[in-house]
Amino acid sequence: DSGVTQTPKHLITATGQRVTLRCSPRSGDLSVYWYQQSLDQGLQFLIHYYNGEERAKGNILERFSAQQFPDLHSELNLSSLELGDSALYFCASSVGSPISGGLYNEQFFGPGTRLTVL
Amino acid sequence: ELKVEQNPLFLSMQEGKNYTIYCNYSTTSDRLYWYRQDPGKSLESLFVLLSNGAVKQEGRLMASLDTKARLSTLHITAAVHDLSATYFCAVDGNYGQNFVFGPGTRLSVLP
Repeated sequence: DSGVTQTPKHLITATGQRVTLRCSPRSGDLSVYWYQQSLDQGLQFLIHYYNGEERAKGNILERFSAQQFPDLHSELNLSSLELGDSALYFCASSVGSPISGGLYNEQFFGPGTRLTVL
Repeated sequence: ELKVEQNPLFLSMQEGKNYTIYCNYSTTSDRLYWYRQDPGKSLESLFVLLSNGAVKQEGRLMASLDTKARLSTLHITAAVHDLSATYFCAVDGNYGQNFVFGPGTRLSVLP
């Protein structure tokens, strides 16, 4: 158990809908990362938040958005869902700041949310 | 743009054999991480390599880092079935803002 929690574990929804995925980082971790893992795309970095501020964006679609709240939990919002959005969505946390490195940036992954869009 | 490659992408090996997984990356970095993922599960941190020449070992797995060659290796000694999983390397290229994963190596250890 990494100490990172994600809810829900499974989500089944229809095309065109909107869903929210939630992540609580390990106690003391200020950074939260979101990843999408699908069979054909591998593990794709979506976005990184540090202490409430967006610090880096990866291959995140405009239909997707995220935020990190003052209590450091994070939510990933996916809207206008398409069949191709079906994937495992992971959240990871680390203690590090954007200018730290090394051990401080070791990421610990949550169990993931499996999203199925029908 | 930081790119991370792994080879092989698929590896089937017999129990008791040794093998090495390679991770190459495209830009200067001295921070590299190895993760393991079991099917349908999350990623588990295995090793953190923070300097040129760093070597870490845990059980039958040993990881090393050569920053000059931009290469890390994950060596498997006397493989056992329990090591069957997908192994990812990840490179921290820009102060944690640019954490790029390799495509993963799917390892199957056959009895």
